[in-house]
Amino acid sequence: DIQMTQSPSSLSASVGDRVAITCRASQSISSYLNWYQQKPGKAPKLLIYAASTLQSGVPSRFTGSGSGTDFTLTISSLQPEDFATYYCQQSYSTPRTFGPGTKVDIK
Amino acid sequence: QVQLQQWGAGLLKPSETLSLTCAVYGGSFSGYSWSWIRQPPGKGLEWIGEINHSGSTNYNPSLKSRVTISVDTSKNQFSLKLTSVTATDTAVYYCARSIPAAPYGMDVWGQGTTVTVSS
Repeated sequence: DIQMTQSPSSLSASVGDRVAITCRASQSISSYLNWYQQKPGKAPKLLIYAASTLQSGVPSRFTGSGSGTDFTLTISSLQPEDFATYYCQQSYSTPRTFGPGTKVDIK
Repeated sequence: QVQLQQWGAGLLKPSETLSLTCAVYGGSFSGYSWSWIRQPPGKGLEWIGEINHSGSTNYNPSLKSRVTISVDTSKNQFSLKLTSVTATDTAVYYCARSIPAAPYGMDVWGQGTTVTVSS
């Protein structure tokens, strides 16, 4: 199985801050990397697929980058509705493993 | 607008079989893969497995001996069975649509079903 790690596990930030979350795969996954946002009690929401492609309807303040083993999700200017937990997921091979999540809360 | 509606028993005893169904409304069933994911209380997401419209499956090896995912294309539904459940199977279970070209990003999710295993 491909193992996914994320850092940090949590962060505190203010509205308007630039936030970066990193995700690392235990082996190269090319660009087969997806990012999800999950709010408490809700299903995850796809933000970015194929490492850098913004899902339809997702605000442009979200960007994804990286390839191979190292990836980054960046939120350019944090908004109140962005406080949530973010997960990366590799789709290079099965099982399609998720990272452990990064919780973004209000400073 | 594609929607997934899922249902199934929410309270099970140890050794029983978990059975959930997910119906696809408002969109095509073919051309996609259909997945199950679970989330134990307070924890992260675990991919359980997937099936495409023709019935080809992939399972998480950690659950493979107990899991069956099936599809009923006539009803635009897919189902999850997990046998011999224990307390560690207590979780919110989600169904989701995977787009092979995305690649396999899950863009539409069901509402989630809370399954509790307790004697």
